[in-house]
Amino acid sequence: GEDVEQSLFLSVREGDSSVINCTYTDSSSTYLYWYKQEPGAGLQLLTYIFSNMDMKQDQRLTVLLNKKDKHLSLRIADTQTGDSAIYFCAAHGGSQGNLIFGKGTKLSVKP
Amino acid sequence: DTGVSQNPRHKITKRGQNVTFRCDPISEHNRLYWYRQTLGQGPEFLTYFQNEAQLEKSRLLSDRFSAERPKGSFSTLEIQRTEQGDSAMYLCASSFRTSGGGYEQYFGPGTRLTVT
Repeated sequence: GEDVEQSLFLSVREGDSSVINCTYTDSSSTYLYWYKQEPGAGLQLLTYIFSNMDMKQDQRLTVLLNKKDKHLSLRIADTQTGDSAIYFCAAHGGSQGNLIFGKGTKLSVKP
Repeated sequence: DTGVSQNPRHKITKRGQNVTFRCDPISEHNRLYWYRQTLGQGPEFLTYFQNEAQLEKSRLLSDRFSAERPKGSFSTLEIQRTEQGDSAMYLCASSFRTSGGGYEQYFGPGTRLTVT
């Protein structure tokens, strides 16, 4: 079945760009998602991309998709301390209704 | 509409007791999902409903777990004879199909279960 992997930690300085990477295994995944989770909270949908797209931009967020390498990235421009959280990559595809999540990348933003 | 709500937010129970959690989805969403999240992990899928029909169940959903969505609106997740390994955050999500064909899943705040 589908497997989604992410690096576990990323530390950046306030004002820099953050890039969070994700790889997935199932090439039939039709949609790929990014969620944000703050301590003790549920998951907030940030953005998602359809598999026939290479890039999607939404304000400070840019998603890049390399279907050949099954690699997804989330770039956060001008990272702020309020962006500190765990970011999850998730894949959805085929006849399955559910999302398959990675373990999450903890983003720490230093002032 | 303020989003997906879950009750209770926290539940502490003794091993062997039964617990029930409730999820109220966003009103126009026809799909509802249950996930479980343990510390340091991403959410793991348990089951999902389209309207009142339970369409898929994960291998994680042992026979001690049962979920219902009787009128296609709110859902309940019951765990019978709880074990310490059931301690986790239980997340509910609901979704609708976008005009582009994808599903946007929106999560509730979760119910944190502690089994002592």
